[in-house]
Amino acid sequence: QVQLQESGPGLVKPSQTLSLTCTVSGGSISSGGYYWSWIRQHPGKGLEWIGYIYYSGSTYYNPSLKSRVTISVDTSKNQFSLKLSSVTAADTAVYYCARAVVADPSSFDYWGQGTLVTVSS
Amino acid sequence: DIQMTQSPSSLSASVGDRVTITCRASQGIRNDLGWYQQKPGKAPKRLIYAASSLQSGVPSRFSGSGSGTEFTLTISSLQPEDFATYYCLQHNSYPPTWTFGQGTKVEIK
Repeated sequence: QVQLQESGPGLVKPSQTLSLTCTVSGGSISSGGYYWSWIRQHPGKGLEWIGYIYYSGSTYYNPSLKSRVTISVDTSKNQFSLKLSSVTAADTAVYYCARAVVADPSSFDYWGQGTLVTVSS
Repeated sequence: DIQMTQSPSSLSASVGDRVTITCRASQGIRNDLGWYQQKPGKAPKRLIYAASSLQSGVPSRFSGSGSGTEFTLTISSLQPEDFATYYCLQHNSYPPTWTFGQGTKVEIK
């Protein structure tokens, strides 16, 4: 059974960089065949896809966040990470990591439980 | 960019009711669409993938249909545990991107 678990600081100061890691268990990122994504949800609001990374390191980001987002992968640790720079209160959200299957990418089949990140001084 | 319009934004229904939620895409997306259920404080749970395939373990009262630009999630007989918020999710093939619908909150009448 694949499991994803987000980790990282729950509080980030404005203008700093938000950093989160997703640890994958029950499956290997380096086996390929999956898009590993970050998704966020502002309090009481809908869901927003942030970007994805493939095991090879290829990425694509939501154009609305592209200038501030970096997603990286560490296959040796079976982890992928999110960095969001120059954060403001508008980046306060629950951040999820999730997986989509390349062969059928219509949706994300496995999700982490989510982690709340608050941007505040 | 492909835009997704989900409707209604909320609805009130009774146990046993048939409920239908719709997502419309601004351009054709074949069957690259999924449906999710989210309860407060929880991650979204996939119900439907590839527009009409039922996720393993999901009750058969949930069904998805559609292709191209119009998609529907139907709950044939609403149960107490179905009161939640539902989202559609569209996938665009190239480059690979995903867009969620705005959500539909299903409340008890």
